[in-house]
Amino acid sequence: DSGVTQTPKHLITATGQRVTLRCSPRSGDLSVYWYQQSLDQGLQFLIQYYNGEERAKGNILERFSAQQFPDLHSELNLSSLELGDSALYFCASSPGGALSYEQYFGPGTRLTVT
Amino acid sequence: LAKTTQPISMDSYEGQEVNITCSHNNIATNDYITWYQQFPSQGPRFIIQGYKTKVTNEVASLFIPADRKSSTLSLPRVSLSDTAVYYCLPFSGAGSYQLTFGKGTKLSVIP
Repeated sequence: DSGVTQTPKHLITATGQRVTLRCSPRSGDLSVYWYQQSLDQGLQFLIQYYNGEERAKGNILERFSAQQFPDLHSELNLSSLELGDSALYFCASSPGGALSYEQYFGPGTRLTVT
Repeated sequence: LAKTTQPISMDSYEGQEVNITCSHNNIATNDYITWYQQFPSQGPRFIIQGYKTKVTNEVASLFIPADRKSSTLSLPRVSLSDTAVYYCLPFSGAGSYQLTFGKGTKLSVIP
């Protein structure tokens, strides 16, 4: 158990809909990272937040957005969903602000868009 | 951004030593080499990190030659529970915000 929690574990929704994925980092970690893992693209970095502020951005679509709240939990919002958005979404956390080579990953949220 | 090349898959018998090599020809001076392990339907788990020469921890060893254009993850005496995907990831931690794990190497340990 990494100490990172994600909800929900599974999510099934239809194209065009909007969903919110939630992540709670390990106790004391200030950075939260979001990743998308699909069969054809591998594990892709989406975005990082550090202590409530956006710190780094990867291959995140404009239809996706994220935020980190004062209690350090984070939410990833996915809108206008397409079939291709079906994937595993992982959240990870680390103590510091710089991109850390040692990140602790949660169990993931499996999103299925039908 | 350093591009990595790893074998897509490897098979090994239980009890054998497994070496997985990753090529990273255009690695930057500031990049460290990190390796992660991922079991099916779980998030990746950090295994080991190094800059050059050899690093060893309780799980694995990492060998990085002087030119740093490749690295080799060594898993001693693998067991069935080592069946997983292993990712090689050059990482600088400063200014390099593209964390792409790639497809990794799927290791299958056979009894």
